[in-house]
Amino acid sequence: DIVMTQSPDSLSLSLGERATINCKSSQSLLYRSNNRNYLVWFQQKPGQPPKMLISWASTRELGVPDRFSGSGSGTDFTLAISSLQAEDVAVYYCQQYYSVPYTFGQGTKLEIK
Amino acid sequence: QVQLQESGPGVVKPSQTLSLTCTVSGGSISSGSYFWSWVRQPAVDELEWIGRMYTSGSTNYNPSLKGRVTISLDTSENQFSLRLRSVTAADTAVYFCARMTGSGLFDSWGQGTLVTVSP
Repeated sequence: DIVMTQSPDSLSLSLGERATINCKSSQSLLYRSNNRNYLVWFQQKPGQPPKMLISWASTRELGVPDRFSGSGSGTDFTLAISSLQAEDVAVYYCQQYYSVPYTFGQGTKLEIK
Repeated sequence: QVQLQESGPGVVKPSQTLSLTCTVSGGSISSGSYFWSWVRQPAVDELEWIGRMYTSGSTNYNPSLKGRVTISLDTSENQFSLRLRSVTAADTAVYFCARMTGSGLFDSWGQGTLVTVSP
């Protein structure tokens, strides 16, 4: 199985600050034949299912604010929130869809200081 | 826009079988190149993919569940189901049904249903 490791486990920042969440996979998620990274970022708020923010490591989903961005390739990926808003309080997960069984990171809890 | 809704017992006794159904509306489960999948969340900071079924009937399951799981489709009812046998307390979780694209992306989710394994 591909192991996904996120850091940090939790993050406490002030409104307007930049948030950075890292995700590392135990093997490359880059599929050479199409040059795409099979990595997605989710946001989950209490009592709700995960919501897809970023697919293919860096493609923002329709309706997701442009303060969210994804980067990275191979085994190292980053989710950045450029200017933290109150509604961004949530748990963030990375997930690989390169191979089954699909696996998730352990989550990063983002709070407002 | 497709919508998914889980249903089933909220409590299951140890050693018995957990059975959940996902009802799909706004689209047919037998059309399009989609997988129909289950994911569970035992705790806030943990998500585990259970398995998926394609419209053709082919399946993939998480080996961590040691052969205890079966996913099936009922196209006449536009539903798909999860059966997890021989449950223990470790199977207590919120269970989500979800639609996956052909690429493997979860693009639609149910709201989730809590299942507790308890005598």
